[in-house]
Amino acid sequence: DAGVIQSPRHEVTEMGQEVTLRCKPISGHDYLFWYRQTMMRGLELLIYFNNNVPIDDSGMPEDRFSAKMPNASFSTLKIQPSEPRDSAVYFCASSLQGTGNTIYFGEGSWLTVV
Amino acid sequence: EDKVVQSPLSLVVHEGDTVTLNCSYEVTNFRSLLWYKQEKKAPTFLFMLTSSGIEKKSGRLSSILDKKELFSILNITATQTGDSAVYLCAVPDSGGGADGLTFGKGTHLIIQP
Repeated sequence: DAGVIQSPRHEVTEMGQEVTLRCKPISGHDYLFWYRQTMMRGLELLIYFNNNVPIDDSGMPEDRFSAKMPNASFSTLKIQPSEPRDSAVYFCASSLQGTGNTIYFGEGSWLTVV
Repeated sequence: EDKVVQSPLSLVVHEGDTVTLNCSYEVTNFRSLLWYKQEKKAPTFLFMLTSSGIEKKSGRLSSILDKKELFSILNITATQTGDSAVYLCAVPDSGGGADGLTFGKGTHLIIQP
C-alpha cells in the first residue's frame, strides 16, 4: 500500500503567488482531509470530503483558500494569493468509513511563503 | 466547541525512564480517542480507544481511557531515543460519520541517551 501521497514535499514561494498542493489518498478510502500544522496552532482541520463531495469547509481560513476533489484519487488545495502567514505544513489524510475514524496521513507539504 | 488538552507540552527524560502523557477532552458526542506519534514527518497512528478501562498495548507503549473523567494516558516504559517525538491525542469531531479529528497541541518528548 503506497499510503497517502502528497506533492510537492517542499515549496518556497513569494507572497502573492498561487500555490497548489496535491494529494492522492489511499485507494479505496472514501474520506479525504486537509490539515494545516503550525507551531502556534497545532494541527487544524481545513476541509474534508466524502466520496469527492466537500462536507465541511468551516476550517478554511479565508477565501484565498480553495480545495477540490475531481475524482476519488486526487485532491488539490490552492492558495491564491499566498501570504507569509500561510507558511505551514499542510497534511492530506484519508480514511475508510467504518474503520472507527482511523485517519492515515501523508508526509505533508512544507510551505514557506516569503 | 470540541477541545483536547495535552500535558505536559514538553518532557525531557533519560533513556530507560518511564513516561506518562496525558490527554483530557471535551466533546459533545464521544466516539473514540486516538493517539498518534509524529516524528519529522506525518503523524502515525498508535492507538484508538473507545471503551473505559481497557488497556491497549503495543510493545512498550500502552494507553487507557477514562470516559467518566474524560481523559486518556499514554505510557511508555523503558524509553529509547527512538521514542523521541511529538505525541498527539485526537478525538473525532462531534458530527456523525468519519469526520475530521480535533487534535491537542501535542507533547514533545525528548529521550536523552
